[in-house]
Amino acid sequence: EDQVTQSPEALRLQEGESSSLNCSYTVSGLRGLFWYRQDPGKGPEFLFTLYSAGEEKEKERLKATLTKKESFLHITAPKPEDSATYLCAVHLYGGSQGNLIFGKGTKLSVKP
Amino acid sequence: EPEVTQTPSHQVTQMGQEVILRCVPISNHLYFYWYRQILGQKVEFLVSFYNNEISEKSEIFDDQFSVERPDGSNFTLKIRSTKLEDSAMYFCASSDRPMSSYNSPLHFGNGTRLTVT
Repeated sequence: EDQVTQSPEALRLQEGESSSLNCSYTVSGLRGLFWYRQDPGKGPEFLFTLYSAGEEKEKERLKATLTKKESFLHITAPKPEDSATYLCAVHLYGGSQGNLIFGKGTKLSVKP
Repeated sequence: EPEVTQTPSHQVTQMGQEVILRCVPISNHLYFYWYRQILGQKVEFLVSFYNNEISEKSEIFDDQFSVERPDGSNFTLKIRSTKLEDSAMYFCASSDRPMSSYNSPLHFGNGTRLTVT
């Protein structure tokens, strides 16, 4: 069965304390891996797409990387406004259009 | 920046009643989707829609569910006879190209919270 597992479930950081979130996947054939940010009561907001092992994408304090088994979202010197739930999702070869398989997310809290 | 808009933000209904959730996708997008998120659980795929027909649907999307694009801007999800377990956040999403295309992420709305009592 195709699975996406995110860890930790929750992460509390001090402002400026860098860390990484993990998304591990066991799937039949990965077409793409997506990272989204979700604020309370809002829909997922697109951050990155990664397609092949070794690929990296960056946006402000966030950097996403991909290996054959997992993806990391690195947060450098986070600020309180980075507090949110970060969702990882995969799209599979042979998967239907729009059928993303999501993980449960990592809830990040950044304290000033 | 263009957004996916969903109405209402919160819908309360009694078990057995019909509800229609409404979405206005981003204007130049052609591919439309519904997802749901039960409180504390993962975001789950319901259905994808393109060229006025369903492209794919999940096991969740049974005969009680239907989707429609009644005009050039709206995309709706109807639940014919709601059950308690239909209580969830329902997200509409759209994209300008199929997901198999490079760099074609889904853009999500802020959801409709459906509460079935």
